[in-house]
Amino acid sequence: SQQGEEDPQALSIQEGENATMNCSYKTSINNLQWYRQNSGRGLVHLILIRSNEREKHSGRLRVTLDTSKKSSSLLITASRAADTASYFCATNLEKTSYDKVIFGPGTSLSVIP
Amino acid sequence: GAGVSQSPSNKVTEKGKDVELRCDPISGHTALYWYRQSLGQGLEFLIYFQGNSAPDKSGLPSDRFSAERTGGSVSTLTIQRTQQEDSAVYLCASSLYLEQYFGPGTRLTVT
Repeated sequence: SQQGEEDPQALSIQEGENATMNCSYKTSINNLQWYRQNSGRGLVHLILIRSNEREKHSGRLRVTLDTSKKSSSLLITASRAADTASYFCATNLEKTSYDKVIFGPGTSLSVIP
Repeated sequence: GAGVSQSPSNKVTEKGKDVELRCDPISGHTALYWYRQSLGQGLEFLIYFQGNSAPDKSGLPSDRFSAERTGGSVSTLTIQRTQQEDSAVYLCASSLYLEQYFGPGTRLTVT
């Protein structure tokens, strides 16, 4: 089973709505990152949150981390058609190499114009 | 500056042949990663290089897979005696701290 698993697997919303994706993991982490992958393109780093942080913002993105529940959420506010992509969480495990991360299977987001 | 580049972008090979995939990381990045992504799936970790340390090969699926990183820069992933299940997109990423910068990938098709 995956260290990090995103939920839902797929999400479809109307442009302008907010999108929320969740990531649950099994073992303690140093940090957690979110990445985006547009269709046919490479992955792009969105945001990193460390284990001692609870919330971070970047533009229309808000990430929260609850280490007691071993979960993180990514909120995209006022979604746009260009936000259509797959979103992956990547966890850096506490007792492993500082740089090594494990990616989850991703959430596929469709934003309908 | 230049990002991570990979070559070839596409590779079609016959079952049983060997293939080499190349990754040029961002200059100065000490960490380099190889991942595999099957259609519609997440990223499967293959191997990780960090500076002069011994690579973490724990994700290589079989002994047909190997990788090297010469001079702390360019990396080559070699798949020997390719099988159809090796068909996937192979992604390379590099990083200096934690944020990974990905290349566009090599799409490998084994016929």
